[in-house]
Amino acid sequence: DAKTTQPTSMDCAEGRAANLPCNHSTISGNEYVYWYRQIHSQGPQYIIHGLKNNETNEMASLIITEDRKSSTLILPHATLRDTAVYYCIVRPKNYGGSQGNLIFGKGTKLSVKP
Amino acid sequence: DAGVIQSPRHEVTEMGQEVTLRCKPISGHNSLFWYRQTMMRGLELLIYFNNNVPIDDSGMPEDRFSAKMPNASFSTLKIQPSEPRDSAVYFCASSYRGGNTEAFFGQGTRLTVV
Repeated sequence: DAKTTQPTSMDCAEGRAANLPCNHSTISGNEYVYWYRQIHSQGPQYIIHGLKNNETNEMASLIITEDRKSSTLILPHATLRDTAVYYCIVRPKNYGGSQGNLIFGKGTKLSVKP
Repeated sequence: DAGVIQSPRHEVTEMGQEVTLRCKPISGHNSLFWYRQTMMRGLELLIYFNNNVPIDDSGMPEDRFSAKMPNASFSTLKIQPSEPRDSAVYFCASSYRGGNTEAFFGQGTRLTVV
């Protein structure tokens, strides 16, 4: 079972920031938060991951709360091409055995509108 | 690098026939995942290999499904005999287990069993 909770869907105006929340209240100290997205008919695409500090790359920013029980993925200037399903996943830091699995939940369907 | 390569991209077969899906992971990656995606069940992990060894196959639906990884550069997922309910998009992904790196997904194989 997925260990995260995300809203089913969200809308965002083109050019505005898209803020996608994720709850992971049972996260343990050795688990990272990963974000992937899946654009229609394509394979999932990695976006960003973090442990406890905020992270930023060319695609997005990841804000993790101090207690690590929730996080927010921020797309600073959403475009129509960012319309996709966004998945928040927790995964152990040093994984072995089945812990290496990436388990996807339902994700959030983000619709960026003109 | 060409990324994760899956073949075929589309497969239509008749119920009862054997189907073989193929995956070439990214060179240097030592973890490989097979996923199945349907509208009803979303993305499901079927099996996970590490260093060519199956680590977790608990997601394989039944004995009709089998997966092999004879070497680091090739994996197959076989369904024998196929059934209409096996119709789905099958994704292969690979990653480097030696750190917290992302998994890269192929473009998927869309399987239709009639």
